[in-house]
Amino acid sequence: AQSVSQHNHHVILSEAASLELGCNYSYGGTVNLFWYVQYPGQHLQLLLKYFSGDPLVKGIKGFEAEFIKSKFSFNLRKPSVQWSDTAEYFCAVNPRSNDYKLSFGAGTTVTVRA
Amino acid sequence: NAGVMQNPRHLVRRRGQEARLRCSPMKGHSHVYWYRQLPEEGLKFMVYLQKENIIDESGMPKERFSAEFPKEGPSILRIQQVVRGDSAAYFCASSPRGTTQETQYFGPGTRLLVL
Repeated sequence: AQSVSQHNHHVILSEAASLELGCNYSYGGTVNLFWYVQYPGQHLQLLLKYFSGDPLVKGIKGFEAEFIKSKFSFNLRKPSVQWSDTAEYFCAVNPRSNDYKLSFGAGTTVTVRA
Repeated sequence: NAGVMQNPRHLVRRRGQEARLRCSPMKGHSHVYWYRQLPEEGLKFMVYLQKENIIDESGMPKERFSAEFPKEGPSILRIQQVVRGDSAAYFCASSPRGTTQETQYFGPGTRLLVL
């Protein structure tokens, strides 16, 4: 079974700072990769996803993530955060062979101070 | 993705009672997935349903938990004789066709608290 680990439980930043959230997964086969975000009081929303092709993926709201296959990583980045980026961020993975079964990391809470 | 509806948003039950969680998928979606998030953990897959069929229930606890997605009406996750360890957030997601590389759209979750 695959597992997903997110390196930081809680990150606190000031506005305009750069953000990088780590995500590593363990699975021997081919995977699809996702980052979801949950703003306070709202649904989980898809930020971006990687299925194949260019390993640098652009998502909504200025976020991007890079898939590094050799490191089993899919880190999320944003060059300059805003107060509205305060949210919980989840990395998720599913295997291509059984790809409805998402496995999530424990989440990283990001707090952006104005 | 505001189209996936879950109710109630918060549910409090005493030990031994039953909990019923409802999920209405987005319009046009016929595939539903339930996930559970225990405190300090990520979401864990529980069950995958299509209309009137359970496709994969490998993540469901063997006892007390059941799920259905009838021809008409919402999907129901039912927990009988709840225990404190059932306290968690339960998320429902839906997708249109259940095909490869399809995005799952999530609801807001139901927070279950067992006293």
